[in-house]
Amino acid sequence: QKEVEQDPGPLSVPEGAIVSLNCTYSNSAFQYFMWYRQYSRKGPELLMYTYSSGNKEDGRFTAQVDKSSKYISLFIRDSQPSDSATYLCAMSVDAGGTSYGKLTFGQGTILTVHP
Amino acid sequence: NAGVTQTPKFRILKIGQSMTLQCTQDMNHNYMYWYRQDPGMGLKLIYYSVGAGITDKGEVPNGYNVSRSTTEDFPLRLELAAPSQTSVYFCASRAANTEAFFGQGTRLTVV
Repeated sequence: QKEVEQDPGPLSVPEGAIVSLNCTYSNSAFQYFMWYRQYSRKGPELLMYTYSSGNKEDGRFTAQVDKSSKYISLFIRDSQPSDSATYLCAMSVDAGGTSYGKLTFGQGTILTVHP
Repeated sequence: NAGVTQTPKFRILKIGQSMTLQCTQDMNHNYMYWYRQDPGMGLKLIYYSVGAGITDKGEVPNGYNVSRSTTEDFPLRLELAAPSQTSVYFCASRAANTEAFFGQGTRLTVV
């Protein structure tokens, strides 16, 4: 079983739709949860970063963490064509302690928002 | 502010050739990482370093070597290139309580 599972999609939605991206994980030691956005032929860029269970909102983006279910989500409201990218969930045990902040990634979900 | 810079951007290697992927960061980060990304597979950790002179293996280290002689540079060495090493390679760096910053990647094809 992979430590982090993410539906690779692809996911295609019309502009203005609400998008839901999800990851499950098996390692209960993960404490830090991230969503990265990766445009074609570019490096990943951090989109959202959460530590605790609950919701975190930033503009059109909401990250949700449920540690009891080992499940994280990213919601995109009013999706735009510029949101078309690959979205990667990532997790780490610590931010620089004994695991040295190493990230474990999901497979990535390819999202296309069409006008 | 350059961030994390990787060179080259693209490279085609023949089986058995060797090469070094360069990575440099100007943020004075202690932690540096090399990941590879294969289609539909996310990013997998190859090697990492917690400071100059200190390196350790990640999840998929076979066929690679690294060194960290300075804080800024973390080169990745392929000694005997194999088709299985065809991938996109990303270098990243971070400080203890910051996000990880990624380079733009090196797209490597081994034929």
